[in-house]
Amino acid sequence: RKEVEQDPGPFNVPEGATVAFNCTYSNSASQSFFWYRQDCRKEPKLLMSVYSSGNEDGRFTAQLNRASQYISLLIRDSKLSDSATYLCVVKHYGQNFVFGPGTRLSVLP
Amino acid sequence: GAVVSQHPSWVICKSGTSVKIECRSLDFQATTMFWYRQFPKQSLMLMATSNEGSKATYEQGVEKDKFLINHASLTLSTLTVTSAHPEDSSFYICSARDPGRSDNSPLHFGNGTRLTVT
Repeated sequence: RKEVEQDPGPFNVPEGATVAFNCTYSNSASQSFFWYRQDCRKEPKLLMSVYSSGNEDGRFTAQLNRASQYISLLIRDSKLSDSATYLCVVKHYGQNFVFGPGTRLSVLP
Repeated sequence: GAVVSQHPSWVICKSGTSVKIECRSLDFQATTMFWYRQFPKQSLMLMATSNEGSKATYEQGVEKDKFLINHASLTLSTLTVTSAHPEDSSFYICSARDPGRSDNSPLHFGNGTRLTVT
């Protein structure tokens, strides 16, 4: 089993749709959690950190369930510019960051 | 916010030559930087962890003599692809985090270097 797993995708959704991505991690000692987006042929960029109480940034909502070792990202009112690959990233104690394989999203007009 | 700068963005070189890629943390000191490689339509793969003032830690399967890493200062790490071959053509990305912010601070990435070996 991979250390961080994500929905395989791709997700093709119409503009305005709500889409949810799921991520699970296997190391119960994981300390910090993040969602990144990566556009084609570009570097990953931080979308948001994920806090235990859940957090929201505009149209984006992240949730963490430590008991189930599960992280989610919800995107409301999808825009064409949201098309990208979304990476779930888990950090262990110290410096070790582990990346999920990513879920590709295409928002269609 | 924290910024990581990577140079060059693009490089085309002939087979057998060496290429040096620089990664700089612009407004924080990074004792550790990470080097990744990404082939088209594949996931990021960690190649090595660069440690300031000591040897880099390489992931399994990554040749340390081929991918030379030097982390000579708290703001600069370099990756040199030695005797490059066409199969080394890839997207190389560095990253670092600001340890002074918090233990939960995220990674910030350089803009990547697209290497094409002809």
